[in-house]
Amino acid sequence: DVKVTQSSRYLVKRTGEKVFLECVQDMDHENMFWYRQDPGLGLRLIYFSYDVKMKEKGDIPEGYSVSREKKERFSLILESASTNQTSMYLCASSFEGEQYFGPGTRLTVT
Amino acid sequence: GNSVTQMEGPVTLSEEAFLTINCTYTATGYPSLFWYVQYPGEGLQLLLKATKADDKGSNKGFEATYRKETTSFHLEKGSVQVSDSAVYFCALSDHSGNQFYFGTGTSLTVIP
Repeated sequence: DVKVTQSSRYLVKRTGEKVFLECVQDMDHENMFWYRQDPGLGLRLIYFSYDVKMKEKGDIPEGYSVSREKKERFSLILESASTNQTSMYLCASSFEGEQYFGPGTRLTVT
Repeated sequence: GNSVTQMEGPVTLSEEAFLTINCTYTATGYPSLFWYVQYPGEGLQLLLKATKADDKGSNKGFEATYRKETTSFHLEKGSVQVSDSAVYFCALSDHSGNQFYFGTGTSLTVIP
C-alpha cells in the first residue's frame, strides 16, 4: 500500500511565524502536490513538483514556498503565517495518473 | 481547459435510500476520471476510477460510468448506509496523468 504521511494532524501557530509542513511518501513517486481545502472551495493546488529540486506554482502560490531536496519528501513553507492561511492542508503523490493523499494537517493561525 | 463540476450539497438521505451525485467534466484529450471519498478528519481516499469511455468503476457498492457523449461520471449507490456519510469529490487527470482537477465536493449525510 502506498503511504503518504504528514508531520502533524493539527497545528496552531501565531501570525507572523514561519511554518513548515512536511510530507513524506514511501513509494518512490516522482510527482508530489500540496493543496489547501476550504469549505465551499474544494481543493486548490498550491504547488507541485515533478522531481527533486523541481517545483511549479499551482493556482494559489502566494504566501507559500516549497522545498523538495529528496524524492520522498515535499515540504510546504509559510514564510510569515497569516490568519487567512488557516485551513486544511493536504499532500499527495501520484503515479500513472492516480493520486494518493496523506491524512491532512489542520492548521490554525491565531 | 480542464474542469470538473459536481452537484452542490449537502445531501441528506435515509439509510437504504438510492444515491446519485452528479459530475460533469470538460477536458481535452482523454482524461481518466475518479471519485474520492473523505471521511471526517481524514484525507482523501480513492473510491473508484475509470480510464476510458464506457468503463464502469465500482467499489463498496458504489458505481460510476465514464460517459464521453455526455461528459459525465455520476456516482451511484443502490442502498446507502450511515457509514457512507462523508464528502465525495469527483476528479479527473489529464492525458499526461500529471495534472489533476477536482470538483468542489458533495457532503453526504445518511441518517438511520
